[in-house]
Amino acid sequence: EVQLLESGGGLVQPGGSLRLSCAASGFMFSSYAMNWVRQAPGKGLEWVSVISGSADSTNYADSVRGRFTISRDNSKNTLYLQMNSLRAEDTAVYYCAKAPYSSGCYWIDYWGQGTLVTVSS
Amino acid sequence: QSALTQPPSASGSPGQSVTISCTGTSSDVGGYNFVSWYQQHPGKAPKLMIYEVNKRPSGVPDRFSGSKSGNTASLTVSGLQAEDETDYYCSSYAGSNNLLFGGGTKLTVL
Repeated sequence: EVQLLESGGGLVQPGGSLRLSCAASGFMFSSYAMNWVRQAPGKGLEWVSVISGSADSTNYADSVRGRFTISRDNSKNTLYLQMNSLRAEDTAVYYCAKAPYSSGCYWIDYWGQGTLVTVSS
Repeated sequence: QSALTQPPSASGSPGQSVTISCTGTSSDVGGYNFVSWYQQHPGKAPKLMIYEVNKRPSGVPDRFSGSKSGNTASLTVSGLQAEDETDYYCSSYAGSNNLLFGGGTKLTVL
C-alpha cells in the first residue's frame, strides 16, 4: 500500500524559512517522480514543484521559483521542500504527491494527507 | 500559465447524470492526452478518479467517465449518489514539466 506522510509544517513569520518532509513507503521510491501540491484555505489546488526519480530534473511553479527548492533522498525514501522568503500567500496545506512515471508531472496517482503551513506575524 | 476553467458548481438529482467541464488551451488540455480528475472530500486529500482523459484507476466506479474535445475536457458522473457530493478538480499537463489545475467544482446532489 502506498503511503505518503508529510511533516514539518507550522507557523512561520513572513520572510522566514521552513523545510517540509515526506516519508514514502509501499513502492519503489527512486523509480517515480514526486510532486508538491498546495491548497490555500478554502481555495483550489496549485501545483508547486516536481522532481524526477533520479533527482536529475526539477521544475517549479512561477509563484515559488527562486524561493523554494525540491529535493529527495532515495536512500531514505524521503522527499523534501525547502521554503525560503515565505510570504502570507504561501499559507496552505502542502501535499506530497506521487507521479506514475519516473519523470514528468503528467498526473498524480497518490496523495499524502498534507501538512499545514501558516505564514503570519 | 493560468489555471484551467471549471464551473464553480454543478448539481443533479440522485440517479441522474451530471457533466463538469474543464477548459484550457491548445498548450495544455488541447495539446496533450494527460487530463486527470480528482475528487476531494472536505478536510481530506484529493483522490484520483480519471487519468489520461478517460482511464479509471482500479476501484473507481464505472459511473465516472472522462472525455475531451479540443481544449475542453469533461467529467461525467452517471447514476448520481449522495456520496458523490463533494469537490472535483481537473488537471492537465502543460508541457515543459508543468502541471495545471482547474479552480474546482462543487457537485451537489439535490
